[in-house]
Amino acid sequence: ETGVTQTPRHLVMGMTNKKSLKCEQHLGHNAMYWYKQSAKKPLELMFVYSLEERVENNSVPSRFSPECPNSSHLFLHLHTLQPEDSALYLCASSRITSGGRNTGELFFGEGSRLTVL
Amino acid sequence: TQLLEQSPQFLSIQEGENLTVYCNSSSVFSSLQWYRQEPGEGPVLLVTVVTGGEVKKLKRLTFQFGDARKDSSLHITAAQTGDTGLYLCAEHANAGGTSYGKLTFGQGTILTVHP
Repeated sequence: ETGVTQTPRHLVMGMTNKKSLKCEQHLGHNAMYWYKQSAKKPLELMFVYSLEERVENNSVPSRFSPECPNSSHLFLHLHTLQPEDSALYLCASSRITSGGRNTGELFFGEGSRLTVL
Repeated sequence: TQLLEQSPQFLSIQEGENLTVYCNSSSVFSSLQWYRQEPGEGPVLLVTVVTGGEVKKLKRLTFQFGDARKDSSLHITAAQTGDTGLYLCAEHANAGGTSYGKLTFGQGTILTVHP
């Protein structure tokens, strides 16, 4: 059983659609991440939220819009995507230890497989 | 941004064989993590190594961190079909006390263990 749950597991959308990916963590963590995994490429960090504040945006196009309403939930809103955005989108969480340090060890969800037609 | 090179890219072996996969960088790692990702799943953390020369064991898996902290290896003894998956190394870029972790991943080694 994973402590990080992602929905939907699979999503097919047209380029003009608007959809959202959802992530929920049950581990009491307070940092959450979106990663993109494409074939033959390393995992790419997209966004980081630490204590519900966005602290990292790795030059991600504005057609991807993250939202973190609380420390347990993370969304990725999708709008006007391109076929090259088809990939596995992975959510992860981690724990911030005392003193503000983070162990860096990530707990991933099972991913949302996105196909853009 | 540090570039992590993993080798080999693909590895196909029979059950019972031993294997080693590698993770290398031109720069010094602050700390290194190994993950395994099974098909249709997200990556799962196997181990974190921090100290140069460190060796950690997890059942049939042995992880080594190079003395200079620029390379790491994962050795599997007597591989089983359940070991099949994508093995990823990742460097923790923010080991200096910031509030969140930021990992840089290698491209991974795809391991297939045949019965």
